[in-house]
Amino acid sequence: AQSVSQHNHHVILSEAASLELGCNYSYGGTVNLFWYVQYPGQHLQLLLKYFSGDPLVKGIKGFEAEFIKSKFSFNLRKPSVQWSDTAEYFCAVNAAGNNRLAFGKGNQVVVIP
Amino acid sequence: NAGVTQTPKFRILKIGQSMTLQCAQDMNHNYMYWYRQDPGMGLKLIYYSVGAGITDKGEVPNGYNVSRSTTEDFPLRLELAAPSQTSVYFCASSIRDGTDTQYFGPGTRLTVL
Repeated sequence: AQSVSQHNHHVILSEAASLELGCNYSYGGTVNLFWYVQYPGQHLQLLLKYFSGDPLVKGIKGFEAEFIKSKFSFNLRKPSVQWSDTAEYFCAVNAAGNNRLAFGKGNQVVVIP
Repeated sequence: NAGVTQTPKFRILKIGQSMTLQCAQDMNHNYMYWYRQDPGMGLKLIYYSVGAGITDKGEVPNGYNVSRSTTEDFPLRLELAAPSQTSVYFCASSIRDGTDTQYFGPGTRLTVL
């Protein structure tokens, strides 16, 4: 079964700082990769996803993530955060051919104005 | 479209009581999922369904039951509630399998005392 690791559960940043959240997974086969976000008081929603092709994926609100197969990683980045990026961010992995998503523990990100 | 709806939003149960968490989606999605989210632990899959009449266990199914008599509804039943079932429960749906974007409901916060 696949597992997903996210480190630095709590991240506090000032506005305009750069953000990088790490995501590593343990599965040797083909994977589909996701980042979901939960803004305060809102539903979990998709931020971006990778299935194949260009390993650099762009999502909503200026976020991007890079799939590095050799490192089993799918790190999320944003060059300059805003107060509205305060949220919890979850990395999720689907092993190809499997109906399930495995989620990481999440990163609670707080952006200080 | 209302998307994925869940009721109730909050509930307090006594040990040994039973209840059903309701989930409905109006997007004609075949796949539906139940997750629980414990603080700092990410989302764990309880049960999922690939269509009406078909359900399967996820990672943490013990103490729960599900049914899927229609495409729209996917209720989660807790029998003999225990304090370990205190959690936030999320229902989600997707058109296809684990490769597809999942759409989440607002969650039900359950406390068992």
